[in-house]
Amino acid sequence: GNSVTQMEGPVTLSEEAFLTINCTYTATGYPSLFWYVQYPGEGLQLLLKATKADDKGSNKGFEATYRKETTSFHLEKGSVQVSDSAVYFCALSEGGGSEKLVFGKGTKLTVNP
Amino acid sequence: GAVVSQHPSRVICKSGTSVKIECRSLDFQATTMFWYRQFPKQSLMLMATSNEGSKATYEQGVEKDKFLINHASLTLSTLTVTSAHPEDSSFYICSARDRQGRSHGYTFGSGTRLTVV
Repeated sequence: GNSVTQMEGPVTLSEEAFLTINCTYTATGYPSLFWYVQYPGEGLQLLLKATKADDKGSNKGFEATYRKETTSFHLEKGSVQVSDSAVYFCALSEGGGSEKLVFGKGTKLTVNP
Repeated sequence: GAVVSQHPSRVICKSGTSVKIECRSLDFQATTMFWYRQFPKQSLMLMATSNEGSKATYEQGVEKDKFLINHASLTLSTLTVTSAHPEDSSFYICSARDRQGRSHGYTFGSGTRLTVV
C-alpha cells in the first residue's frame, strides 16, 4: 500500500540555519504531496503542496519539489526562525477517487535563538 | 479561512465509561470528515471516514462498535469511544473536507487528548 517515510527527529537548529527534512513516498498512481505543520496545542495546518511531478510548493519561506524519479518531497528552508518550531508531517493523497491522506511519522523541529 | 472546531481538547475518563468527541466545521459545509488517532512519536492513523447522512467507513483493524461515528449534518461529526480502556488513551484528530473543495479541501481540528484511567 501507499506509505510515507520521513526523517526521524527531533531536529534542533540555531536561528537562521538551513533546514532540510527528508520525505520519500511509495505510491501507486499519481499522488498529490503535502507538508503539514502542527504547532504546540494546535491542529495540523497545510504548509504547502504539489500535485504533479516537478511541481514546487512554497509558503512562508519553505519549499518542496515533487521528484517522481526519486519519489521524494523534501522540505527546505534557507533560514529558520524560532517561530518555525513545530512538528512537520509529510503526507500524500492517494487520489484515484480516494480522499484519504497517508501521513509520515512527523519530525519535531526546535529552533533555538 | 476554513475552521474546524474540535471539543473537548482534553478529557480524562474512568475505564468502562464512554466519551464523545465533537468536530464542527464553522464556516463551511463538510461532506466528508475523517477521524485520526495519533500515538506518541507516531504518525496519524486514519480510523474512519464519514459522509454526511451515511454510515462511516472504518479502516481495517478499527472496531466500529467501539468507535462510534455519527455525521448527522454537514457541519457536525462525533466520535464516541465506548467502554473506554487505558489502551484507548491517545490523541484523536478530526479533519473535514470542504464541500466546495477550496484549497486542497482538508481542514484539521486541534485534537483531543483522551486519557483513560
